[in-house]
Amino acid sequence: NAGVTQTPKFQVLKTGQSMTLQCAQDMNHNSMYWYRQDPGMGLRLIYYSASEGTTDKGEVPNGYNVSRLNKREFSLRLESAAPSQTSVYFCASTGAFLPYEQYFGPGTRLTVT
Amino acid sequence: LAKTTQPISMDSYEGQEVNITCSHNNIATNDYITWYQQFPSQGPRFIIQGYKTKVTNEVASLFIPADRKSSTLSLPRVSLSDTAVYYCLVGDSDNAGNMLTFGGGTRLMVKP
Repeated sequence: NAGVTQTPKFQVLKTGQSMTLQCAQDMNHNSMYWYRQDPGMGLRLIYYSASEGTTDKGEVPNGYNVSRLNKREFSLRLESAAPSQTSVYFCASTGAFLPYEQYFGPGTRLTVT
Repeated sequence: LAKTTQPISMDSYEGQEVNITCSHNNIATNDYITWYQQFPSQGPRFIIQGYKTKVTNEVASLFIPADRKSSTLSLPRVSLSDTAVYYCLVGDSDNAGNMLTFGGGTRLMVKP
C-alpha cells in the first residue's frame, strides 16, 4: 500500500515549456486535490476532484489544468510555465467517511527559470 | 468557507505542554475542525479532528468550546521532533470533496 505517489520529485522548466505532474493513490479514495506551497507559506488549493469524472477550481487555478483520468489518478498540467509557478506541488486524497483525513504525497519541487 | 486565524509562530521547550488556538468565528453547522502537522520538505500529516467538546488520541488533544468559534490543539510534553508547522482547517462534513483552506499555519519551535 503506497498511499499517494507523485512523479517527478524534482523538475526544472524554462519559461513557456509545458509539463504534467502525475499523482496516483491506491486507497480507493473518491476525492483528490492539487495544492501548491510557496516558500514559507501555507498550502493553496489549485484544483480538486470530488469523484471520478468531476473537477473543480480551487483558490489559484489560473495557469493550470487537471485531468481525473480514473479513480486512482489525478494529473496537473502546466501548459506554459511561468517563473511565478515555481513552487512545491502536493497531491492529496480523501476517503468518503469520517474523519475525512487528507493523505498527502511527497511533493514535486518545480523550478521555472 | 469558514476562515481560520492562528498565531504565526510559537516557541516552547522540551517537556512542556503546548496549546495552539485557532479562531473560526463563522464556522457552519456541518463543519468539522481538523489539525495537520507539516515538517519541512514533507506533505502535511493529519493529527486530529473534532466536532465539539474534547477529542484525544495518542498524539494530541483537541478542545472545542460549546460555541465552536475556536479550538485549541494541545500537545503534551513536546520534544524537539514536534518542531513543525501546524494548520487548523474547518470544513463541511457532508461532502468529502469539499474545498479545504489551509492558511499560513502556526510555526512551532521546540527548544532544548
